[in-house]
Amino acid sequence: DAKTTQPTSMDCAEGRAANLPCNHSTISGNEYVYWYRQIHSQGPQYIIHGLKNNETNEMASLIITEDRKSSTLILPHATLRDTAVYYCIVRRNGGSQGNLIFGKGTKLSVKP
Amino acid sequence: DSGVTQTPKHLITATGQRVTLRCSPRSGDLSVYWYQQSLDQGLQFLIQYYNGEERAKGNILERFSAQQFPDLHSELNLSSLELGDSALYFCASSDRDSNEQFFGPGTRLTVL
Repeated sequence: DAKTTQPTSMDCAEGRAANLPCNHSTISGNEYVYWYRQIHSQGPQYIIHGLKNNETNEMASLIITEDRKSSTLILPHATLRDTAVYYCIVRRNGGSQGNLIFGKGTKLSVKP
Repeated sequence: DSGVTQTPKHLITATGQRVTLRCSPRSGDLSVYWYQQSLDQGLQFLIQYYNGEERAKGNILERFSAQQFPDLHSELNLSSLELGDSALYFCASSDRDSNEQFFGPGTRLTVL
């Protein structure tokens, strides 16, 4: 699976959009981009995933560049409860078979 | 609540001992994954079972073993425990066609 690069940490003001970047320049054509987050020692939580089109769900939006070498996770109105470590993961196919390879992620701090 | 349960929540034991961690997947999920999270190594995949069969192996030590039972619950057995085995152990599950893994709350193991 391809590797990803994320900033170590980011701050965001409460109520503002949080934009979390991820570089995955060696991504293959059949690899998806997944985002998970982990709130202080809780189990990681799935946020969103995509292949090449932008995706949106009730939690976030995922913007993938046309060359697929990078992506941005957008939390449109960050709250204090969004403070967490966010992991960008690149993974073969969309099936359930396949472990997740977690990097160090981005520690997002949402401040009042 | 992800629907994945893990017991016990906390476990304190001594070096050289053996422990068993238990995981009940979400209803209907056939795949179970085990991950270890320590301060220095981050979140690491250990092993995956699918419908009772071992499907994939990650950085799992020979002292560790796992199994998935006919009712689909899984157990992770850790033996000859060392101080470095102290970590959070997470179980995750997914159904056959889902793209996301649902994580349990974890078991915090402390080896003294």
